[in-house]
Amino acid sequence: DAGITQSPRHKVTETGTPVTLRCHQTENHRYMYWYRQDPGHGLRLIHYSYGVKDTDKGEVSDGYSVSRSKTEDFLLTLESATSSQTSVYFCAISEMSNSYNEQFFGPGTRLTVL
Amino acid sequence: GNSVTQMEGPVTLSEEAFLTINCTYTATGYPSLFWYVQYPGEGLQLLLKATKADDKGSNKGFEATYRKETTSFHLEKGSVQVSDSAVYFCALSDQRGYSTLTFGKGTMLLVSP
Repeated sequence: DAGITQSPRHKVTETGTPVTLRCHQTENHRYMYWYRQDPGHGLRLIHYSYGVKDTDKGEVSDGYSVSRSKTEDFLLTLESATSSQTSVYFCAISEMSNSYNEQFFGPGTRLTVL
Repeated sequence: GNSVTQMEGPVTLSEEAFLTINCTYTATGYPSLFWYVQYPGEGLQLLLKATKADDKGSNKGFEATYRKETTSFHLEKGSVQVSDSAVYFCALSDQRGYSTLTFGKGTMLLVSP
């Protein structure tokens, strides 16, 4: 299994509070991604990173920010959580040594915003 | 833009039945195609992949063939087991250097003994 951990695994918070989710990898992969999974929507990309300090927006980036100060860590921040951000969040990593973009996923973080 | 459409579930089968989960895609160029599987309470795992037209990906008895003429990548298994119960996601990635994955909405498979 790819060495990807996410913390916390579960979190309950209140509307308006800031929340930071952490993704940590031990694979030294260049690319890291944050997705959210919601019923009826599959997985949707929030933000991704293609190197330290290099990030870009995905399909559903509004209300989220990210940071990557080290290769191994990719942080997702909800500046002011809303109930619509209740979801399961997955981190993924990939390394473009192959000609295709195979991604490996972490175990997920279940976030509930009350 | 890229998009993936897969059949809605749940798909309910008895053990040893034949499985097909349909997946069609819209993309420019020559995307790579993937099937991921998510078991209850876990993250996604790559099940199989195909990177060019007519390629057949296979793993754990599952197969899918990259059909460019019909823009399809249907997942099949000849004899399902209870342990195959999971959510299956079809996905594509285009060929750019750091392209991202586009996922379908997922299809839940329930296999009963």
